[in-house]
Amino acid sequence: ETGVTQTPRHLVMGMTNKKSLKCEQHLGHNAMYWYKQSAKKPLELMFVYNFKEQTENNSVPSRFSPECPNSSHLFLHLHTLQPEDSALYLCASSPGYYSPRWRGGQETQYFGPGTRLLVL
Amino acid sequence: ELKVEQNPLFLSMQEGKNYTIYCNYSTTSDRLYWYRQDPGKSLESLFVLLSNGAVKQEGRLMASLDTKARLSTLHITAAVHDLSATYFCAVAISSGSARQLTFGSGTQLTVLP
Repeated sequence: ETGVTQTPRHLVMGMTNKKSLKCEQHLGHNAMYWYKQSAKKPLELMFVYNFKEQTENNSVPSRFSPECPNSSHLFLHLHTLQPEDSALYLCASSPGYYSPRWRGGQETQYFGPGTRLLVL
Repeated sequence: ELKVEQNPLFLSMQEGKNYTIYCNYSTTSDRLYWYRQDPGKSLESLFVLLSNGAVKQEGRLMASLDTKARLSTLHITAAVHDLSATYFCAVAISSGSARQLTFGSGTQLTVLP
């Protein structure tokens, strides 16, 4: 497979369930991202990993727990979610870079197809 | 806090017509992206604009950037049905060791026959 893949594509879960979303990128990138896309809000950045290190956590509730075991894989562990967490969860990757001072390149983010999550 | 505003949010246009989508942002940035999203699909990168005055064109779409005005435009020329989609602009800021993108709300474009 090429590009960014996400599994599952659709997920229905109860509020007491625990589930995980998986993202895999085949682009040789070093940075990976989780976004939430809700019907009523703009696309929201949740987490950023660069070279497997979490660099951003945009005030995301602790019921969302990311994991990045290597540069190609990113997980989002879900537990005790609320109905308002129902959304499309998008994973993205980008080349990433070594130093905060590096400003070259286009740094385009490539998105996966998303997981459509419904919390009942 | 960086804010990115797109307008219009909804746009219906006849085939063959021209129109422009606007993207305003509130703070200095060194690059701006345009993405397309088809219903039920993920985001597809269209353009990245790197400097003031940058203009890029692909088919019937042309994007431009004015960093002084903090404004980007996506111009549609002679629209066709295949262009129906939601278009997002996103502004990049450096944060730590990775770039964050802040997205606009999107413009849902419907091209009517």
